Amino acid sequence: EADIYQTPRYLVIGTGKKITLECSQTMGHDKMYWYQQDPGMELHLIHYSYGVNSTEKGDLSSESTVSRIRTEHFPLTLESARPSHTSQYLCASSDPRTKNIQYFGAGTRLSVL
Amino acid sequence: GESVGLHLPTLSVQEGDNSIINCAYSNSASDYFIWYKQESGKGPQFIIDIRSNMDKRQGQRVTVLLNKTVKHLSLQIAATQPGDSAVYFCAENQGAQKLVFGQGTRLTINP
Repeated sequence: EADIYQTPRYLVIGTGKKITLECSQTMGHDKMYWYQQDPGMELHLIHYSYGVNSTEKGDLSSESTVSRIRTEHFPLTLESARPSHTSQYLCASSDPRTKNIQYFGAGTRLSVL
Repeated sequence: GESVGLHLPTLSVQEGDNSIINCAYSNSASDYFIWYKQESGKGPQFIIDIRSNMDKRQGQRVTVLLNKTVKHLSLQIAATQPGDSAVYFCAENQGAQKLVFGQGTRLTINP
């Protein structure tokens, strides 16, 4: 069982709202990732981080932003949510000590009305 | 572009039978592959991995086979149980610990 936590699990908000999805891990992993996933579909990497103060854009263009001020925390922010942002957002972390296998949180299911 | 794809989106098997889930990849330079299991309402969970210098790896009730000649990966689950019902993803390491995930196969177990 991986020690990576995402909050909230479910979020329903109106268009134009600013939201932050939280992700925390207690494994001391340097690398962290955010994926976007539509139900039953493949995962698309939207952001990742190699460590503190490192943030990179992933393969899928996203209007979200991330920050990495502490090793254990990697929040994702949407400044102005739109219905097209409705999806599931998954956070993961990895470390060379565990063969860089990515361990995932349970996800946040976001619905923008 | 490079991609990882699965042959079948759904698979139904009888409880107790063996299941085989397939995956095709196109990046011949990929050196590491992972299978994940995702149950409803949960994040993907690591099942088993294999490096490109191997062609077979076994775990508890699971076996991964890698055929680099045809760029094919498979996950075999022995004696399938109801708890094996989930969506299974293969993922391909494309360097810098970035994984590319396939579409996913939904495995349904019939009693």
